[in-house]
Amino acid sequence: EPEVTQTPSHQVTQMGQEVILRCVPISNHLYFYWYRQILGQKVEFLVSFYNNEISEKSEIFDDQFSVERPDGSNFTLKIRSTKLEDSAMYFCASSDSGQGSNYGYTFGSGTRLTVV
Amino acid sequence: GEDVEQSLFLSVREGDSSVINCTYTDSSSTYLYWYKQEPGAGLQLLTYIFSNMDMKQDQRLTVLLNKKDKHLSLRIADTQTGDSAIYFCAENGGGSYIPTFGRGTSLIVHP
Repeated sequence: EPEVTQTPSHQVTQMGQEVILRCVPISNHLYFYWYRQILGQKVEFLVSFYNNEISEKSEIFDDQFSVERPDGSNFTLKIRSTKLEDSAMYFCASSDSGQGSNYGYTFGSGTRLTVV
Repeated sequence: GEDVEQSLFLSVREGDSSVINCTYTDSSSTYLYWYKQEPGAGLQLLTYIFSNMDMKQDQRLTVLLNKKDKHLSLRIADTQTGDSAIYFCAENGGGSYIPTFGRGTSLIVHP
């Protein structure tokens, strides 16, 4: 069964450093997403990406965040200058439809980011 | 904005039925989903229901939707230890089709 792959599984970084979280979506999917879950809290939407541009973003996705599809397979989330409150599990997801479907999204297993 | 609420924990005995409840606020939801997250894995779509349905059954899973009360439930019959996981309720709506998730219910199945 096709999978969404995320690397690394764990990342520890110092406050103020830049981090890049990497994702390989399912190859024939066209819509890509980043979500995060702070420990004990809800899974929160960050950004959606289609046709090489951001299609929607939440209030969380401020100027410190950026996304990129540098080649035909990877989808990355960059946090420019990490803060303690960025510590969370970050999930990448992809889907074949941008308008909601009975197939939902396929999620990766997440990258746990710890900012110290 | 849209909101989805779930209880945090549910503990059941193996062989019993589990019922995980969820409430949501967005009356324009098109699809409502249940996702399952096993330890160390991503969220996996378990089942879904379209907003014009009241019930959906899929083997041991039964989804009930009460649109009037904006209440969604997932019933797992004959719960097994392998069903132990975190279950997330999600709905899409508000015109954006981006699912809004709850914080997940940890289902603990004990012998």
